[in-house]
Amino acid sequence: ETGVTQSPTHLIKTRGQQVTLRCSSQSGHNTVSWYQQALGQGPQFIFQYYREEENGRGNFPPRFSGLQFPNYSSELNVNALELDDSALYLCASSEDPGQFEQYFGPGTRLTVT
Amino acid sequence: RKEVEQDPGPFNVPEGATVAFNCTYSNSASQSFFWYRQDCRKEPKLLMSVYSSGNEDGRFTAQLNRASQYISLLIRDSKLSDSATYLCVVALNDYKLSFGAGTTVTVRA
Repeated sequence: ETGVTQSPTHLIKTRGQQVTLRCSSQSGHNTVSWYQQALGQGPQFIFQYYREEENGRGNFPPRFSGLQFPNYSSELNVNALELDDSALYLCASSEDPGQFEQYFGPGTRLTVT
Repeated sequence: RKEVEQDPGPFNVPEGATVAFNCTYSNSASQSFFWYRQDCRKEPKLLMSVYSSGNEDGRFTAQLNRASQYISLLIRDSKLSDSATYLCVVALNDYKLSFGAGTTVTVRA
């Protein structure tokens, strides 16, 4: 196992609502990246946090936001949920931004109705 | 144009067969390349890094062709446990991993 955990495992929300997903990285991993994986697609990069600051962002709107905490935990927040936000959300941790080898958590499956 | 493109398959092969597939990437500045494996409804897991000189890890061989901007993965002596989706991953200078949509391999008894 990678030592990366995510909660909750599954979540059902209604369009327009807000959601917070949580990730706990491996101890010592200062970098966390979040990905969205729609059915039948590869993971798409949302953003990366390094030492509690955003270090890079993919093509996702501002309603996707994140936080990283000193205790190796992090959050992904999505406001004003849309039906297309239904996906598997994965977090991945690494020791630092320069290390491309990332360790993924099991993901949170979000369904927006 | 997608950053990373893969043949989705599926590749349906008998046990013991050899299967190979490629992916192409669009950004010539890409600096690191990987193959990840993803089992159904599970998280991706790093299978192997891909080096310019080509590299092997047991029954798996990865090749990189920078001039043509493609990466290949070859699996020899396929096992039932090799059935999975194989994700081609390219890392750019800004540490973002770009994933292909995956190639599905099914190994049958």
